[in-house]
This record gives sequence, C-alpha cells and structure tokens, in this order.
Amino acid sequence: ETGVTQTPRHLVMGMTNKKSLKCEQHLGHNAMYWYKQSAKKPLELMFVYSLEERVENNSVPSRFSPECPNSSHLFLHLHTLQPEDSALYLCASSRETSGYYNEQFFGPGTRLTVL
Amino acid sequence: AQTVTQSQPEMSVQEAETVTLSCTYDTSESDYYLFWYKQPPSRQMILVIRQEAYKQQNATENRFSVNFQKAAKSFSLKISDSQLGDAAMYFCAYRSASTGNQFYFGTGTSLTVIP
Repeated sequence: ETGVTQTPRHLVMGMTNKKSLKCEQHLGHNAMYWYKQSAKKPLELMFVYSLEERVENNSVPSRFSPECPNSSHLFLHLHTLQPEDSALYLCASSRETSGYYNEQFFGPGTRLTVL
Repeated sequence: AQTVTQSQPEMSVQEAETVTLSCTYDTSESDYYLFWYKQPPSRQMILVIRQEAYKQQNATENRFSVNFQKAAKSFSLKISDSQLGDAAMYFCAYRSASTGNQFYFGTGTSLTVIP
C-alpha cells in the first residue's frame, strides 16, 4: 500500500466503550498528526508527533489518548467519549514538522459516531 | 492565533469555465506558507498548490493558479477549464515558517461543477 491509511473507516461506539483508531504511513515520513474534522468548522489539530515524540497537544480532552510506537504508526485511543466527539478523524504525515518539506499527506479518515 | 477565512461556503461553476475561490488570513508574521487542499467526496484530502510568502510570483500547477496578495493577506485559487473531477471541498491553510507544526485551516468551500 502507498500513502497514508486509516482503519477503521467507520466506527460507531457507545459513550462507555473503548476503541482505537489506527493510522499507518508508507512514505518514510518523520511526523504524524491527528485532526478532527467537523461540519462547517475548520480542521482542528489535535496532536503532532515528530520522530515518535509528541510535540503538540492542542488542549485535547484526556478521553483522547494518542500513541506513536514508531514513525510509521499512530493510534488514537478513545474512551468515555461524548456525542459531540462524533466527527471525521484525519491522520496526516509529513517529512518534517517545519520547513519547506512539511507538506502534509492525509489519510481517508475514520468517520466516528458516538451514541 | 492565526485565522483563515473562506467566505464562500459553496460555489458552482459550469464545466470548462473558470472559477475563483477566495481565502483571507490574519497574521503578523512575514514568513509563512499558504496551501490549498482539495477533499473530494469520501476521498482523501490532497494538496493542490502551495505558495511561499517570500515569493512574489504566484504559484501555478496546470489548471490551478493562485492570486497571492501579501499586503491584503489574500490567497485566492483560480481553477481554469473546470472539470467534473474538480468537484470537492477546497480548504485554504496557513502555516508559519518559524513555528512549523501548526496548520490553520479555513472552513472550506464546496465546489460543484455543472455539466
């Protein structure tokens, strides 16, 4: 596979469930990102990882817990979510986190519905 | 924080015609990057075109070009000879050249191409 992949593509969960979103990039990039995309709102950057270290956490509630075991994989662990957390969650990667080469490549997203 | 404004939630264009999507941004920085991303329905977001703020020449990628007005903080996207495959959400984005990690996105413009 090429590019950035995300699984699952769709997820429905109850507020008491625990689930995880997975992202994998096959581009040899060093940085990975989680975004939340809600209708009629700008994309919200949630987390940034550079070389497996978290470098950005944009005041995201603790019910979202990221994990980056290596530079190719990124997870978003979910627990006790709220209905307002329903959104499209996008993963992205880039060669660097700064400079000319941090063009971001996006995955297809996971459509999350919290009941 | 920087803000990116896309004042046109929806636009339509006749096939083979030209359309311009507007974007304005607010920043006190002098060095930054601007991007247009395209998100087709149920498909991955992809980079359309990028502009470095220190370059006066407007970027061009085939049928896509920008009108970058740094003093006015305006960054519009022109799509020439519109094709059915151009139908998508288009997002304008800003990134500081110094801080790097944070992309700021607009709310998007939904483009419909009429056959």
